[in-house]
Amino acid sequence: DAGVIQSPRHEVTEMGQEVTLRCKPISGHNSLFWYRQTMMRGLELLIYFNNNVPIDDSGMPEDRFSAKMPNASFSTLKIQPSEPRDSAVYFCASSLGTFRGETQYFGPGTRLLVL
Amino acid sequence: RKEVEQDPGPFNVPEGATVAFNCTYSNSASQSFFWYRQDCRKEPKLLMSVYSSGNEDGRFTAQLNRASQYISLLIRDSKLSDSATYLCVVGEVQTGANNLFFGTGTRLTVIP
Repeated sequence: DAGVIQSPRHEVTEMGQEVTLRCKPISGHNSLFWYRQTMMRGLELLIYFNNNVPIDDSGMPEDRFSAKMPNASFSTLKIQPSEPRDSAVYFCASSLGTFRGETQYFGPGTRLLVL
Repeated sequence: RKEVEQDPGPFNVPEGATVAFNCTYSNSASQSFFWYRQDCRKEPKLLMSVYSSGNEDGRFTAQLNRASQYISLLIRDSKLSDSATYLCVVGEVQTGANNLFFGTGTRLTVIP
């Protein structure tokens, strides 16, 4: 079975450019999570969706970040404009989602470098 | 105050050694507990869930102490392949929420 799929796997861009990260959760999973991981701050939850509806976006750093989930099989995380401090690994994860702290399955991540 | 705190290590141990990692969590209402493993430049993957009665999976034993809000992971007979970062993870249930809180991880290197 396919796991969580993310694209691109690597992204190098210049400051000020728009960056779009994509995620396909595991089929049948109802919750989707976007995380950011850096050496300094570890794994940080940015936003998560339950049944395609954003539930908690308090982790989104600022208005430059936005996330959408137009259907159960696709989500995007957009950064516009990007800044060097956005450089990190961005993970998407999904879980069955039954209002319990369930196991989350992570995608391979997108390594973002903003120059 | 962080929801989950871990000793970042690094722990450098010889093959065959026994090593233990500890973690504390701040919310007494937390209801689910896990250890995840993350290899270098890879995504976190579930290693094992942690149950109140304690549980064992081969060389790995996880313990939970709710009174002290403390979770542990014991690895016996360490293998080179155990080298990774181990993330302590705590789940909280809130209305409409399904959050997991990750510790920053403890790095383990098993030395030949």
